[in-house]
Parts: sequence; C-alpha cells; structure tokens
Amino acid sequence: EPEVTQTPSHQVTQMGQEVILRCVPISNHLYFYWYRQILGQKVEFLVSFYNNEISEKSEIFDDQFSVERPDGSNFTLKIRSTKLEDSAMYFCASTSGANVLTFGAGSRLTVL
Amino acid sequence: RKEVEQDPGPFNVPEGATVAFNCTYSNSASQSFFWYRQDCRKEPKLLMSVYSSGNEDGRFTAQLNRASQYISLLIRDSKLSDSATYLCVVNPWTNAGKSTFGDGTTLTVKP
Repeated sequence: EPEVTQTPSHQVTQMGQEVILRCVPISNHLYFYWYRQILGQKVEFLVSFYNNEISEKSEIFDDQFSVERPDGSNFTLKIRSTKLEDSAMYFCASTSGANVLTFGAGSRLTVL
Repeated sequence: RKEVEQDPGPFNVPEGATVAFNCTYSNSASQSFFWYRQDCRKEPKLLMSVYSSGNEDGRFTAQLNRASQYISLLIRDSKLSDSATYLCVVNPWTNAGKSTFGDGTTLTVKP
C-alpha cells in the first residue's frame, strides 16, 4: 500500500534554530498538506500546497514557516526560528483530490 | 463556537458493547465528512467517509444529518482493538481542501 514517508521521526532543537521537516507524499497525489498536533490537543491545519504553490494557510502558518517542493518528490516544512510553542507532532498528508487524507507517521519536534 | 465539536468522552465500554459518538459542525457550507481513527502517538487514519444516505462498513455505521449539521458514528460489538481516539473531520469542499478536525473522542474497550 502506498504511503507517505516523513523524516526525521524525532528532532530535538534549541529555541531559535532552524528546522526542516521532510516528507515524500504518495507519488500520484497532487495535493500536499502539513498539519500539527500539540501533545494532548487536536490536529490543526497549517498549509496546503497544490501545483507548486500554497493554496491555503492557517493563522498558525506565519512568516516563520515556509514550504517547498524542491525536486518533484520531497515536500518540506521549514521553521526558520523555532519557539518553545512549536513543539508538536508535525504530520504531512497528501491526497489525489478526493479529500481523503493519507498521513505520514509524523515528525515529533521538541524545542528546548 | 468550535468549528467541529465532538462528545468529550472518554468512553469506557466492555467488549461487545455498542457505542455511539456524536459530532456537530458549524459551517453549513461543509461538503465532505469523515471519521478518522488515531491510536496513541500515531497518525490519523481514515475509518470511513460519511454520506447523507448513511453508510456502513462491517461493525461501523456513519450517519450525516445536513439539516442539523450533525454526524454520528456507531460501533457495534466493540472489540479491544477498537480502543483509540475517533476524530470527526469536516471539509468545506468536495475536492481537496483544508480539513478541520474535532478534538476527538477517546474510546477504551475493556475485557
């Protein structure tokens, strides 16, 4: 069964450092997403990406965040200067367009 | 008012019980509806899509009432392996778009 792959599975970083989380979506999917889940809280939408550009973003996705699809397979989320409150599980997801999201296993980010 | 609101739970039921979860959504223009399942510290996984006509998949039945903006999930003959958090998910579009998740309702099935 095709799957969404995320790396790293866990990253620990110091406040103020840049972090890049990587995702390889399912190969024939066209829409890509980042969601996050702070421990004990709900899954929150960050950004959607289609046709090499951001199609929608939430209030959480401020200037510290950026996304890129550099090579046609990877889909990355960059946090420029991490804050303590960025500590969360970050899930990448993709869909072919039918709204059924397939999620990766997540990247757990711990900001110290 | 939350965009997607679920029963707070938790639900603790014995094996074999029938359990129902409820969900309401605030955006009347919402077009697509889902139940996802999330195991502890894992990613959400699609359980089933929800249609106006209602749909069933084995022991699971989902219903949608657009007039009341209400979605339900019924689990019959619950198994230990059904223990998880169940997430109600709503999307304003019929095609891909931002999905809004409820807080989740945690189910524990006990022997």
